Amino acid sequence: GAGVSQSPSNKVTEKGKDVELRCDPISGHTALYWYRQSLGQGLEFLIYFQGNSAPDKSGLPSDRFSAERTGGSVSTLTIQRTQQEDSAVYLCASSSPRLADTQYFGPGTRLTVL
Amino acid sequence: RKEVEQDPGPFNVPEGATVAFNCTYSNSASQSFFWYRQDCRKEPKLLMSVYSSGNEDGRFTAQLNRASQYISLLIRDSKLSDSATYLCVVNDYKLSFGAGTTVTVRA
Repeated sequence: GAGVSQSPSNKVTEKGKDVELRCDPISGHTALYWYRQSLGQGLEFLIYFQGNSAPDKSGLPSDRFSAERTGGSVSTLTIQRTQQEDSAVYLCASSSPRLADTQYFGPGTRLTVL
Repeated sequence: RKEVEQDPGPFNVPEGATVAFNCTYSNSASQSFFWYRQDCRKEPKLLMSVYSSGNEDGRFTAQLNRASQYISLLIRDSKLSDSATYLCVVNDYKLSFGAGTTVTVRA
């Protein structure tokens, strides 16, 4: 079946511009997560959505980062006024209510800020 | 202190060898643990869960030591296809990832 999809796969932007990254979770998965992985580093948790509950934004590194999840499905991560240190791979994952521990990752969006 | 710490390696081993590595976690109340595998420029994928009594999945064996707060992964009879970065993961309602241990299996 269809897995988690993300778009775009690659994004190159200039410092100071805003970017939007999109995630389509697996159908029926109520939990959605955003992570960031910088070159040679581990995954850094950014934000977590679970059903209709208020999202856990504790991992967002600054107020330039925000995320929405519309209709309990698609999510958009927005980075305003991008900085060079925002360059990373942004990974989205989803999990089902029955197997909450198992997260399925999308292929990621590679963001490069020039 | 990081929530999850791993030996980054790299572990460079010949085919057929056994390789093992650990990770430590800081939250003694953590309940569930996993090993994920990440290939170069790919997304992480679940390799196996780690159960309290230890568990095997083919050539892979995972162990949990709650007293010392570490998790281990052992790979027997290494294959070239085992070359990857192995991520130790602790679930405290959100997943906390280690930075990964790189394993390279050579012919």
